[in-house]
Amino acid sequence: KAGVTQTPRYLIKTRGQQVTLSCSPISGHRSVSWYQQTPGQGLQFLFEYFSETQRNKGNFPGRFSGRQFSNSRSEMNVSTLELGDSALYLCASSLPGSSEQYFGPGTRLTVT
Amino acid sequence: TQLLEQSPQFLSIQEGENLTVYCNSSSVFSSLQWYRQEPGEGPVLLVTVVTGGEVKKLKRLTFQFGDARKDSSLHITAAQPGDTGLYLCAGESSGGSYIPTFGRGTSLIVHP
Repeated sequence: KAGVTQTPRYLIKTRGQQVTLSCSPISGHRSVSWYQQTPGQGLQFLFEYFSETQRNKGNFPGRFSGRQFSNSRSEMNVSTLELGDSALYLCASSLPGSSEQYFGPGTRLTVT
Repeated sequence: TQLLEQSPQFLSIQEGENLTVYCNSSSVFSSLQWYRQEPGEGPVLLVTVVTGGEVKKLKRLTFQFGDARKDSSLHITAAQPGDTGLYLCAGESSGGSYIPTFGRGTSLIVHP
């Protein structure tokens, strides 16, 4: 089975711009979660989508948003980028009823 | 907010040494996972423990879940350079959201 894929792998943006990241989960996994990872804060939960609905949300500002499509693929969007948004953004998929996360390789976002 | 404290934060050892890393919380978890993350990649699931007192072995890695399901340990025997990485523990609460809470990790370097 193919693993979780994320595109792009690397991204450089300027403050004030917006960015869209994409994630394709493992086939059969309908839950997709997004995390932000920084050296200072570790791995922080952004939100989770299941069957095209946001089911859980972390403590991030409204500039961070996401969506899920009918094929379970997911995108997350960050608007009005700030320097502090520089991080590794990880997508993970899981089976229903399981907390085991299967992560993609991440998108490294640098905001200058 | 449930917190998972991992210790030590950093560990630098020589090949062949043994080590133990810890994951502690004041909260009870219905399950706990351990992940290993290599630089530039997403975390990879190593094991899930569910029952208090449970011990699981994965080659040279031994995982233990505390009797009260509040803590866990990971012991590596005869560490090898390939064990280098960030070890993360993640606990699932009994609330039913299936979103795990991650610790900040133990960064392990094994020198040849």
